[in-house]
Amino acid sequence: NAGVTQTPKFQVLKTGQSMTLQCAQDMNHNSMYWYRQDPGMGLRLIYYSASEGTTDKGEVPNGYNVSRLNKREFSLRLESAAPSQTSVYFCASRVTSYEQYFGPGTRLTVT
Amino acid sequence: AQTVTQSQPEMSVQEAETVTLSCTYDTSESDYYLFWYKQPPSRQMILVIRQEAYKQQNATENRFSVNFQKAAKSFSLKISDSQLGDAAMYFCARGGGGADGLTFGKGTHLIIQP
Repeated sequence: NAGVTQTPKFQVLKTGQSMTLQCAQDMNHNSMYWYRQDPGMGLRLIYYSASEGTTDKGEVPNGYNVSRLNKREFSLRLESAAPSQTSVYFCASRVTSYEQYFGPGTRLTVT
Repeated sequence: AQTVTQSQPEMSVQEAETVTLSCTYDTSESDYYLFWYKQPPSRQMILVIRQEAYKQQNATENRFSVNFQKAAKSFSLKISDSQLGDAAMYFCARGGGGADGLTFGKGTHLIIQP
């Protein structure tokens, strides 16, 4: 039972490049989430998916797109990376009203 | 905006002593949940304890307990018999009754002095 997995663990991009962060969960959870964590800050919600086929914006959605590919997978895409998107990205999943389970995070640097 | 505030950027405690981390929150909902997460240097987010707002009894998990004051919108974490492995960032978070994401505080860095 792997829980929540994220790939890659580390990534360096140049400004303007694009990439997709992958997330998968094997706990049969309906809801999935993408957060970013910047130094001195808590996690901030980028996008979430309450169930397969739905996505909604969180607190900081600008510059990102998401796809809920199926119940297990929820990807985050940066179309044109900017230095302000340098951060640690966490994917999470949960059963509604209960705690969220987090992946190990992806450290992204945009130069 | 519904916010979570952790007023202590850093706390230090001697090993085996007790420490309390503070958290206050703002919400207009009646159905919500509160959490404390631990983030060690590995950066993995680990759930420490959860509290349902409708429950009056304070949650307890081994050496970890909370003081939940609903009227004051306060949710503090008490760590008893502190251990070196407790050293980490601790985040307070609030979640609603639906599928919305969590709102996090900025965290408290806990240092354990041997």
